[in-house]
Amino acid sequence: GAGVSQSPRYKVAKRGQDVALRCDPISGHVSLFWYQQALGQGPEFLTYFQNEAQLDKSGLPSDRFFAERPEGSVSTLKIQRTQQEDSAVYLCASSTPQESSGNTIYFGEGSWLTVV
Amino acid sequence: SQQGEEDPQALSIQEGENATMNCSYKTSINNLQWYRQNSGRGLVHLILIRSNEREKHSGRLRVTLDTSKKSSSLLITASRAADTASYFCATDAYTGNQFYFGTGTSLTVIP
Repeated sequence: GAGVSQSPRYKVAKRGQDVALRCDPISGHVSLFWYQQALGQGPEFLTYFQNEAQLDKSGLPSDRFFAERPEGSVSTLKIQRTQQEDSAVYLCASSTPQESSGNTIYFGEGSWLTVV
Repeated sequence: SQQGEEDPQALSIQEGENATMNCSYKTSINNLQWYRQNSGRGLVHLILIRSNEREKHSGRLRVTLDTSKKSSSLLITASRAADTASYFCATDAYTGNQFYFGTGTSLTVIP
């Protein structure tokens, strides 16, 4: 597609509910990133994929967070048993093939999660 | 924890004036990038400067990088109301797999 596409754009979840956020990267982009952005803050790194391999998940805040990219294209970020502190914008980004360093990463519009 | 830190946190200027915002970071980097984020939207890439570069221009944007001071600045010349947004710097870890963002500078350009 023309850009990184994320869905849903807005999600309200009851505390304890599981949510799944989808990211469709730019076609052909090997690298995919997930970031979490709290209100008034900068994006915080969650996890990174190169094709289907999850090379870095050091930013995932707890074992309730799980990300996958089974076919090396679309990625899903799943949050189990959501808590109020999970309320944030979840940003997906992708970048051009080969090394991510030195290349521009392109962001989607984000999925706004509110846990009530 | 975030690598970069922008200052000022908020900046308000009149249309036509120049806006300067700064970014400091903590560890060695390969590249530094600046992004803009309009309220409620995703981040838009503005400019990338490599660690071996000192200055880069793109339209009304000028970015400088001082690796000895671990700092960068973004200058927007002849600002417009449409430049109102939050601006973030992002640095890549030495491994290149993570991009660390600062807390951002909120710029308001008054028409």
